[in-house]
Amino acid sequence: NAGVTQTPKFRILKIGQSMTLQCAQDMNHNYMYWYRQDPGMGLKLIYYSVGAGITDKGEVPNGYNVSRSTTEDFPLRLELAAPSQTSVYFCASNAGVWDTGELFFGEGSRLTVL
Amino acid sequence: KQEVTQIPAALSVPEGENLVLNCSFTDSAIYNLQWFRQDPGKGLTSLLLIQSSQREQTSGRLNASLDKSSGRSTLYIAASQPGDSATYLCAVFEEGYSTLTFGKGTMLLVSP
Repeated sequence: NAGVTQTPKFRILKIGQSMTLQCAQDMNHNYMYWYRQDPGMGLKLIYYSVGAGITDKGEVPNGYNVSRSTTEDFPLRLELAAPSQTSVYFCASNAGVWDTGELFFGEGSRLTVL
Repeated sequence: KQEVTQIPAALSVPEGENLVLNCSFTDSAIYNLQWFRQDPGKGLTSLLLIQSSQREQTSGRLNASLDKSSGRSTLYIAASQPGDSATYLCAVFEEGYSTLTFGKGTMLLVSP
């Protein structure tokens, strides 16, 4: 009963490097989301997807890209990492309005950009 | 645009007290409201989900209520314990939208 799985859990990047945060869910959810949470701050939506092949920007998409080639996977790519991208990243999923809409989160990926 | 407000931002109580956390939202056309718990350095765990047609949900010592017409939800924690110390967030899933709107959370500290 894996739920939402994120990898890696921790990563240190140098300024200008790129990387991909992986997210996979095994609940056959159509909707998937990427959030970032800065210390002492609330969650901010980066990107979301309502199904395979469909993605849309949230409130803070700059510096990130996503793709959704399958229902299960929703990777988040950071291009040219900057110190401002130091944060904890959470992936989440739900079935949207075709079910209860309950949102499930992964355990998070803590990223430091130096 | 939907706005979700949680009051208070922080709360400190002695063990054993019953307490209420508040969540208000500006647009009552919601599909559901969900309460989460977040421990320091950890992810978010779903506590209770209330559908728009429901008035309350209960799980153990937790009871969440929903008043859509007034745009309010409360999370009641009975007989609080130090293990309840965490940040509690509420989120609404608005009708016609694909994303949830989160409050900034209430940080709860229960002292032994």
